[in-house]
Amino acid sequence: AQSVTQPDIHITVSEGASLELRCNYSYGATPYLFWYVQSPGQGLQLLLKYFSGDTLVQGIKGFEAEFKRSQSSFNLRKPSVHWSDAAEYFCAVGLNSGYSTLTFGKGTMLLVSP
Amino acid sequence: GAVVSQHPSWVICKSGTSVKIECRSLDFQATTMFWYRQFPKQSLMLMATSNEGSKATYEQGVEKDKFLINHASLTLSTLTVTSAHPEDSSFYICSGTGQGPETQYFGPGTRLLVL
Repeated sequence: AQSVTQPDIHITVSEGASLELRCNYSYGATPYLFWYVQSPGQGLQLLLKYFSGDTLVQGIKGFEAEFKRSQSSFNLRKPSVHWSDAAEYFCAVGLNSGYSTLTFGKGTMLLVSP
Repeated sequence: GAVVSQHPSWVICKSGTSVKIECRSLDFQATTMFWYRQFPKQSLMLMATSNEGSKATYEQGVEKDKFLINHASLTLSTLTVTSAHPEDSSFYICSGTGQGPETQYFGPGTRLLVL
């Protein structure tokens, strides 16, 4: 069964600084990969996804993620963090065969300091 | 596009009563819908998967007689928590796929508090 590891429970970044959130997965083949963001008391919003092709994926709100097969990683990055980016971020993995259930990481809480 | 709504956003009920939560896909037809449960400061736990017109598939450990799921149309799925108890208090989130089966679009969640 696939699994997802987000090693950082929470991260604090200064506003304007760059951000990288880590995600590692365990799966026998190349999975579908997703990053979602959740604001307090809200549902999840899709930031970006990777299915195949270019390993650098652009998403909404200035986020990007890079799929590295050799490292089984799909880290999320943003060059300059805004205070409104403070939220919980979830990495998720899906099977690459039709519709699939998602396996979520435990999430990383991003705190933005002034 | 790909907007999912949930109703209600908040519900407080007495122990022993039943609560129904609606999940609607507003601008797409959700062939498959998913129901998740999320405890404070934890990740999402999949409860069940439902395809329109079919019985839901429940994850291991989820009581199907307690959490009734109906997916009667391509835009509506309902989750009914029957005979709710305080331990059922949680944040329930639904999602739907349809614009490409691989991507799930999530609703805003429903906070259930059972007294």
